[in-house]
Amino acid sequence: DSGVTQTPKHLITATGQRVTLRCSPRSGDLSVYWYQQSLDQGLQFLIQYYNGEERAKGNILERFSAQQFPDLHSELNLSSLELGDSALYFCASSLRGGYGYTFGSGTRLTVV
Amino acid sequence: GENVEQHPSTLSVQEGDSAVIKCTYSDSASNYFPWYKQELGKRPQLIIDIRSNVGEKKDQRIAVTLNKTAKHFSLHITETQPEDSAVYFCALPDNYGQNFVFGPGTRLSVLP
Repeated sequence: DSGVTQTPKHLITATGQRVTLRCSPRSGDLSVYWYQQSLDQGLQFLIQYYNGEERAKGNILERFSAQQFPDLHSELNLSSLELGDSALYFCASSLRGGYGYTFGSGTRLTVV
Repeated sequence: GENVEQHPSTLSVQEGDSAVIKCTYSDSASNYFPWYKQELGKRPQLIIDIRSNVGEKKDQRIAVTLNKTAKHFSLHITETQPEDSAVYFCALPDNYGQNFVFGPGTRLSVLP
């Protein structure tokens, strides 16, 4: 157990639907990062939050949004889902930016 | 932005042989250089990292060497074992030092 908790582990949904992925960071970590990993692809950075505030944005689609709550857990919302959104979504946390991440086990999203 | 490359993209070695994966980067003024291992279907895990005040760091069968002048750092695995089979990613902090840009990955296969 890495200390970073992601739920759910698996999610199957239909095109056009909306889903919410949840991440609880490791105790003491203030930064949360979201990454997308499509089949046989690398890790694409989506967005970072630090202590409740958005800190950096990557290649995140407008259909996707995220937030970090006062208890530091984060949610990634994916809407108007398309087949191409099927991927592993990882959350990672660190004490602050620029230092080694601890990844959660990921949420495997399948859009059918 | 940061451009991170890895070579080779795939690598097959016989059990007991050594493996070397090289990571080159373009812009980073980073002082921190991590390597992650991702087994099939699992989360990326930090396996070794190095800071720029040293040129080499070892941890049992793995080592990382850094050439900051030439902008590359390498992962060395000696006495490879089947459980070393995985995808290995190097990472660099982005230009703002907030999140990590991951290399495309190197798939290592250790043949028994």
